[in-house]
Amino acid sequence: DADVTQTPRNRITKTGKRIMLECSQTKGHDRMYWYRQDPGLGLRLIYYSFDVKDINKGEISDGYSVSRQAQAKFSLSLESAIPNQTALYFCATSDTTGLAGVGHNEQFFGPGTRLTVL
Amino acid sequence: QQQVKQSPQSLIVQKGGISIINCAYENTAFDYFPWYQQFPGKGPALLIAIRPDVSEKKEGRFTISFNKSAKQFSLHIMDSQPGDSATYFCAARGGSNYKLTFGKGTLLTVNP
Repeated sequence: DADVTQTPRNRITKTGKRIMLECSQTKGHDRMYWYRQDPGLGLRLIYYSFDVKDINKGEISDGYSVSRQAQAKFSLSLESAIPNQTALYFCATSDTTGLAGVGHNEQFFGPGTRLTVL
Repeated sequence: QQQVKQSPQSLIVQKGGISIINCAYENTAFDYFPWYQQFPGKGPALLIAIRPDVSEKKEGRFTISFNKSAKQFSLHIMDSQPGDSATYFCAARGGSNYKLTFGKGTLLTVNP
């Protein structure tokens, strides 16, 4: 979805390096999420944010940190990358405000960042 | 503990056939069950979704069947086409925090 962008799209780094993945959205959504996708494991939630002042851990937050710099920006950091963090990372957004948010939670995903840690 | 179990892991169907993917859940607090479709190199996108107060929802060739007592739901793709070849994820939403729990995915290949 062009309304959710992720940078970089591909990144190769070395063990121990600090890495930041960035996500921006123009949808005006309040909620943002970071997922990790591994073959055979599906999508696993790393962190999610309900608004700029609300950050929550997901099921696999160890080794990761996030920052919600503005409503439209949500970045994921790997403080000291390790090989088992090699994966496809997705940012997603959802709107829980207004009529569209009542009882509904479609998540809109970005195109993904393929991260390789050597 | 995996809260949403999806099967099969992969599926090969001939063009025109019916593709069926199954999911089972454990948490009775789940209140919304979407299916997402992911093409290679793309992020997942919502395909179809259902609430537990209905047993079936149909959108074109795609149908969700929902069995609340068995805590199971399935995606049926009628008249499967090569363009349907993708990875499909079922998911379940847990209450007011709107978090989605995803199944592990099914890679569907539709042969021409």
